[in-house]
Amino acid sequence: DIQLTQSPSFLSASVGDRVTITCRASQGISSYLAWYQQKPGKAPKLLIYAASTLQSGVPSRFSGSGSGTEFTLTISSLQPEDFATYYCQQLNSYHALTFGGGTKVEIK
Amino acid sequence: QVQLVQSGAEVKKPGASVKVSCKASGYTFTSYGISWVRQAPGQGLEWMGWISAYNGNTNYAQKLQGRVTMTTDTSTSTAYMELRSLRSDDTAVYYCARTNYGSGNRWFDPWGQGTLVTVSS
Repeated sequence: DIQLTQSPSFLSASVGDRVTITCRASQGISSYLAWYQQKPGKAPKLLIYAASTLQSGVPSRFSGSGSGTEFTLTISSLQPEDFATYYCQQLNSYHALTFGGGTKVEIK
Repeated sequence: QVQLVQSGAEVKKPGASVKVSCKASGYTFTSYGISWVRQAPGQGLEWMGWISAYNGNTNYAQKLQGRVTMTTDTSTSTAYMELRSLRSDDTAVYYCARTNYGSGNRWFDPWGQGTLVTVSS
């Protein structure tokens, strides 16, 4: 199975900060990557698919980039409602749609 | 609007089985698949498998092969996930999610609200 490694696993930041989360795949996955946001006690929410396409309704401060084995999720100016855990997911393998381990973004 | 509504929380004893339902509305059920994901307390997301609502084809995570069965009822637009021979480490919140067809396109949106399954003697 394709493994995804997210870094950092924990991030402390202030409102207004620019935040970048990295997701590395154990083998090339083209642009077949999605990003999700999960708040405590809630289901995950799709933010970005195809590595860089913003899901409808998601604020433009979120952006994604990358292809092959290295991907990033960037929040250009962190807002109070963005404090959550973020997961990447590879969509390349038909047999296993694995997730990264998650990055928890907390208030500094 | 597109919505997935899951069945309520369950408490099961080790060795028992659980069947979680996921009722879809707001879209043509057979035009998408349904994936299942679980999340143990304080842990990350674990993909369990996927079922085509069009023809019932399934794809299960290797570690759950033989214990999990996913089915759909197109007459009620409902998907089901049954997990057998439950163990304490199966305690988790179980989510369903609508999934596109086609390799590379199978992102999950939207998700159900989650169903807590607790396995305890």
